[in-house]
Amino acid sequence: QVKLVESGGGLVQPGASLRLACAASGYTFTSFPLHWVRQAPGKGLEWVAVLSYDGRNKFYADSVQGRFTISRDTSKNTLYLQMNSLRPEDTGLYYCVRDTDFDHWGQGTLVTVSS
Amino acid sequence: QAGLTQPPSVSVGLGQTATLTCTGSSRNVGDQGASWLQQRPGHPPKLLSFRSTTRPSGISERFSASRSGNTVSLTITGLQPEDEADYYCSAWDSSLSVSVFGTGTKVIVL
Repeated sequence: QVKLVESGGGLVQPGASLRLACAASGYTFTSFPLHWVRQAPGKGLEWVAVLSYDGRNKFYADSVQGRFTISRDTSKNTLYLQMNSLRPEDTGLYYCVRDTDFDHWGQGTLVTVSS
Repeated sequence: QAGLTQPPSVSVGLGQTATLTCTGSSRNVGDQGASWLQQRPGHPPKLLSFRSTTRPSGISERFSASRSGNTVSLTITGLQPEDEADYYCSAWDSSLSVSVFGTGTKVIVL
């Protein structure tokens, strides 16, 4: 079955960097786009970024444009999110999600940005 | 990147029917359709419907979705205690090349 497992979250200070990873299994990795979606504590869902199925196209939310970079390693079936210049408002649970229909979600990895 | 509009909460009696709405624009819901997601406390969201009206395998027939113009609706019949959750809609904005989420509706089962 489809499985998405996020890792790499943690507590960092404002201005720091962090790289999240999402290990995918149970399907053909290069057949579907993959998204990062985040959720601040007690808040709603916020879309962050998407990488197209062929890896050619990357799109970002305005709030992270220029600071975050989405990428993948097809040899490891792993999606990444490089997060630079982190701000307190980037705090939240980061989910890896398959397809633009959002049909499969990981359990999330928690990022806390605080001094 | 404006989100999709949903009412904050809906309260419905046990066994009754709840109807949730989500309003977007011709760039997103009206163009690409929308998905509905259910999120129970402490859990990741779960897909309930996609392409506005299609229900994934394994999802109860008590959940049905429809679309009219720039608005999609989710109808939950025979409300059960386990249906108490947050419900989000989402859509792809083809003009901006971004995904947008609704503000979320909390369903309260009385």
